[in-house]
Amino acid sequence: DVVMTQSPLSLPVTLGQPASISCRSSQGLVYSDGNTYLNWFQQRPGQSPRRLIYKVSNRDSGVPDRFSGSGSGTDFTLKISRVEAEDVGLYYCMQGTHWPLTFGGGTKVEIK
Amino acid sequence: EVQLLESGGGLVQPGGSLRLSCAASGFNFRIYDMSWVRQAPGQGLEWISSIRGGGPETFYVDSVKGRFTISRDNSKNTLYLQMNSLRSEDTAVYYCANGLRLIEFWGQGTLVTVSS
Repeated sequence: DVVMTQSPLSLPVTLGQPASISCRSSQGLVYSDGNTYLNWFQQRPGQSPRRLIYKVSNRDSGVPDRFSGSGSGTDFTLKISRVEAEDVGLYYCMQGTHWPLTFGGGTKVEIK
Repeated sequence: EVQLLESGGGLVQPGGSLRLSCAASGFNFRIYDMSWVRQAPGQGLEWISSIRGGGPETFYVDSVKGRFTISRDNSKNTLYLQMNSLRSEDTAVYYCANGLRLIEFWGQGTLVTVSS
């Protein structure tokens, strides 16, 4: 199975400051169709997950532009340019290239 | 607006069975791949099963293979998960989601508790 390793586990951030979450996969994530199926999800406290980014860097409709995704190969990053109070929660990367589909362990973003 | 509404969760004894349902609306259900993802209490997300939109092809994580069966009724816009031989480690919130490689929208989840 492809192991998705996220860091850090916990990320205390000052409001208005940037934040960065790393996600590393144990295998490359380029699928046979040429796409890289690396997605990012946000789970606010008490809520269901919500997709933020798909295929590495595509922002979903309604997602603020302070969220951005980047990376290639086995190293991927989710960045929040200026953290707001509503960004508190858990963030998960997920690979959709290899079976079984796997998620990272999650990163908890909290306000200092 | 996409809506996914799970039901069927509850308390079941080890070795028992449950059938989860997910009623979908707001998108063309019959052409969408669909998935089930679970989250044990205080833990992360675990993909467990998916089914193709256009055909019977199904996929499972090894830990549920042979015990869980995913299915769909496109005439009712409904996704199912039949869970047999349940174990304590199956205790989790079970989410229905549309998509497979690009899981997108999620339901609110239904809690399954396996305990004697």
